[in-house]
Amino acid sequence: AQSVAQPEDQVNVAEGNPLTVKCTYSVSGNPYLFWYVQYPNRGLQFLLKYITGDNLVKGSYGFEAEFNKSQTSFHLKKPSALVSDSALYFCAVRPSGTGGFKTIFGAGTRLFVKA
Amino acid sequence: NAGVTQTPKFQVLKTGQSMTLQCAQDMNHNSMYWYRQDPGMGLRLIYYSASEGTTDKGEVPNGYNVSRLNKREFSLRLESAAPSQTSVYFCASSALSYEQYFGPGTRLTVT
Repeated sequence: AQSVAQPEDQVNVAEGNPLTVKCTYSVSGNPYLFWYVQYPNRGLQFLLKYITGDNLVKGSYGFEAEFNKSQTSFHLKKPSALVSDSALYFCAVRPSGTGGFKTIFGAGTRLFVKA
Repeated sequence: NAGVTQTPKFQVLKTGQSMTLQCAQDMNHNSMYWYRQDPGMGLRLIYYSASEGTTDKGEVPNGYNVSRLNKREFSLRLESAAPSQTSVYFCASSALSYEQYFGPGTRLTVT
């Protein structure tokens, strides 16, 4: 079965430190990969995506993500965390081909950035 | 440019009642989606519409129906609400099969 795993329910980091939110997936073919962020009582907001090309993709608010095909991972990173980055982060995978409209979301990782 | 809008924001239903959640987008996107979000389970796809005139089942379609009224609007109907349908419902839209843009959500409680 196709799946997306975010192994950490919560990540705690001090402001100014680098952060990593992990994501691995089990999907056949060459899927599209996404990260979304959700602030309290809001809908999800798109952060960045990997479709093809350079394994390091840059997105909104200084976030970036590294695609690793051999490890089927797509970890979200930021060099210096801000308190305002505290939110719920979702990794999502969209299988290519005929299943391309059925995005699979991870369960989410809550990020706490402490001042 | 409002993006994706949803109505209502909150709703309380009794078991067995029906209701329709409305969604509209002004980004000229072809594809629209309905998800439910439950704690610890991420988002689960209920139904989607790849383009105007088509709808397909997602991961958890039982108990729901949808209508793609036109390119802008995609509604979700609960014919006979059950407590298991208590959730937060999100509508989203996308161009082709790329990133999705989400509405603010509808918080539904079924008692």
